[in-house]
Amino acid sequence: GAVVSQHPSRVICKSGTSVKIECRSLDFQATTMFWYRQFPKQSLMLMATSNEGSKATYEQGVEKDKFLINHASLTLSTLTVTSAHPEDSSFYICSASGSGDSPLHFGNGTRLTVT
Amino acid sequence: KQEVTQIPAALSVPEGENLVLNCSFTDSAIYNLQWFRQDPGKGLTSLLLIQSSQREQTSGRLNASLDKSSGRSTLYIAASQPGDSATYLCAVYNQAGTALIFGKGTTLSVSS
Repeated sequence: GAVVSQHPSRVICKSGTSVKIECRSLDFQATTMFWYRQFPKQSLMLMATSNEGSKATYEQGVEKDKFLINHASLTLSTLTVTSAHPEDSSFYICSASGSGDSPLHFGNGTRLTVT
Repeated sequence: KQEVTQIPAALSVPEGENLVLNCSFTDSAIYNLQWFRQDPGKGLTSLLLIQSSQREQTSGRLNASLDKSSGRSTLYIAASQPGDSATYLCAVYNQAGTALIFGKGTTLSVSS
């Protein structure tokens, strides 16, 4: 079946540094990729939607200059958390969809801890 | 704005019980509905996808129903096992079918 690979699975960084998270669709072309964030005991919240070759669409309240999303190819999207702060510590999950009625497939998530 | 609510938030049952997890959503104009499983600290595993024109889907011991008019979906788990212990998330696609809106989940614990 379709597989979405997310890397790294866990990262610890210092406050003020930037972190890049990769999301790859391994056996299908993902025209659209989504980035979610999940705080402890909360539901997943959609951060942004990215379409290959175009600018990402951010949800209300998500800073586009802080969470940089690049979807340069049909199999790769990256999320860069710039100038990370402790409050950015969270679980970030990407998902990808092919086309039509294809269900969304999710990566295994990235646990970000900012110290 | 679409809101998804899952009840109960947590559930503990002995092995072998049949159980029902509930999901409700405020806007019936949904595209599809999907149930996921999330193990602690892990990503999501898709369990069942119900298209908006369908009323239910079955996979093994799992059965999910969808009633769009009442804004409800249920996930039925038959003969529960300790390996079923996880958080179960209900999510609805927005009308454009482009994004998922999640509930907070039901955390299930099945004891042996």
